[in-house]
Amino acid sequence: SQKIEQNSEALNIQEGKTATLTCNYTNYSPAYLQWYRQDPGRGPVFLLLIRENEKEKRKERLKVTFDTTLKQSLFHITASQPADSATYLCALDMGRDGNNRLAFGKGNQVVVIP
Amino acid sequence: SQTIHQWPATLVQPVGSPLSLECTVEGTSNPNLYWYRQAAGRGLQLLFYSVGIGQISSEVPQNLSASRPQDRQFILSSKKLLLSDSGFYLCASTGGGSTDTQYFGPGTRLTVL
Repeated sequence: SQKIEQNSEALNIQEGKTATLTCNYTNYSPAYLQWYRQDPGRGPVFLLLIRENEKEKRKERLKVTFDTTLKQSLFHITASQPADSATYLCALDMGRDGNNRLAFGKGNQVVVIP
Repeated sequence: SQTIHQWPATLVQPVGSPLSLECTVEGTSNPNLYWYRQAAGRGLQLLFYSVGIGQISSEVPQNLSASRPQDRQFILSSKKLLLSDSGFYLCASTGGGSTDTQYFGPGTRLTVL
């Protein structure tokens, strides 16, 4: 089965700096990789999707890269704000069967300090 | 955009009691539906998914079952709860144009005592 690794330690970052999170995976190569944001006690919210043939994706202050050789995705939050404080989840498709099942990492908490 | 409803929001149940959690979806038709559990300190674990009415696939053997009686209704059940069933249960849906991203409901916090 797919193993997905995200840093278990919270990332504390000063407001205005860039937060960078890492997602590493093993086994088969996914067709796409997604990032979600989860606030305490709430369901995850989709942020970005990047496909295997894409190197980089941007959305406002967010940027995602996907290196299928390294089996790694990086998630960047530029000009971070206290409102960006949350847990960020990496998710990969569990198979190219069209059922869109996702395997999630445990998430990486970000704390933006004013 | 689609909206996912889940109820109840919180639930405290004794060991051995039955369970029924409901999820309904608005704003899309013929979605894929998913049940996840998020235990404390752990990631989201996919429990069941459904690609259509009456079609249920289980990802892990467990004490739970799922049903999809209508296109936009997904139910998670148990006949007898275990302590290990405690967790945060999330329903998710895909569909409505983009079938890759998942939209999550607000979740149900289940505590089994």
